[in-house]
Amino acid sequence: EVQLVESGGGLVQPGGSLRLSCAASGFTFSSYSMNWVRQAPGKGLEWVSYISSSSSTIYYADSVKGRFTISRDNAKNSLYLQMNSLRAEDTAVYYCARDQTYGGNGYDAFDIWGQGTMVTVSS
Amino acid sequence: VIWMTQSPSLLSASTGDRVTISCRMSQGISSYLAWYQQKPGKAPELLIYAASTLQSGVPSRFSGSGSGTDFTLTISCLQSEDFATYYCQQYYSFPWTFGQGTKVEIK
Repeated sequence: EVQLVESGGGLVQPGGSLRLSCAASGFTFSSYSMNWVRQAPGKGLEWVSYISSSSSTIYYADSVKGRFTISRDNAKNSLYLQMNSLRAEDTAVYYCARDQTYGGNGYDAFDIWGQGTMVTVSS
Repeated sequence: VIWMTQSPSLLSASTGDRVTISCRMSQGISSYLAWYQQKPGKAPELLIYAASTLQSGVPSRFSGSGSGTDFTLTISCLQSEDFATYYCQQYYSFPWTFGQGTKVEIK
């Protein structure tokens, strides 16, 4: 079964750090780009970060640039998000999502999502 | 940054209705658009990619159209399991962005 399982969420104080993990199974992880997407309580979806299959290309949303670091370990079939200098506005469910590219024109979409892990930033 | 305007934010409808959701871009994105469905407490699920291509396993009552700046998601005959929140997302350029979401509720 194709699956993504996030872990590492929890309660952290403002200014603190947290490292999220996403364990992939049921597919060739090293062949896919991956993403983190978050959703604040009662709010919409926000794309956070992208990493290519070989880690050669990385992008961040402006809201997290300089504070968050995405990485992956293809040998361990795992994706990570290191979150530093956390703020109250980072409180959200964090999802990892597989990036599927369709056709020669490079149409992307997030075809597989994890169940999410909750991060709460509060004193 | 490409800004997206998704409308309406709330849509009240009945089972069997035909509903349409709009997504408008601040600049042209060709067909680099996807649509997702999210139910409460669950992760989003991919419905449509490349603006109009149905993801495998998605019922044919869902369809997408549009190119450039204006896109539409249509549910031809609303079923009980379709009451959910729908999001568009552009993949034309980073930062990738989602629409604000449309909640489809029971009328």
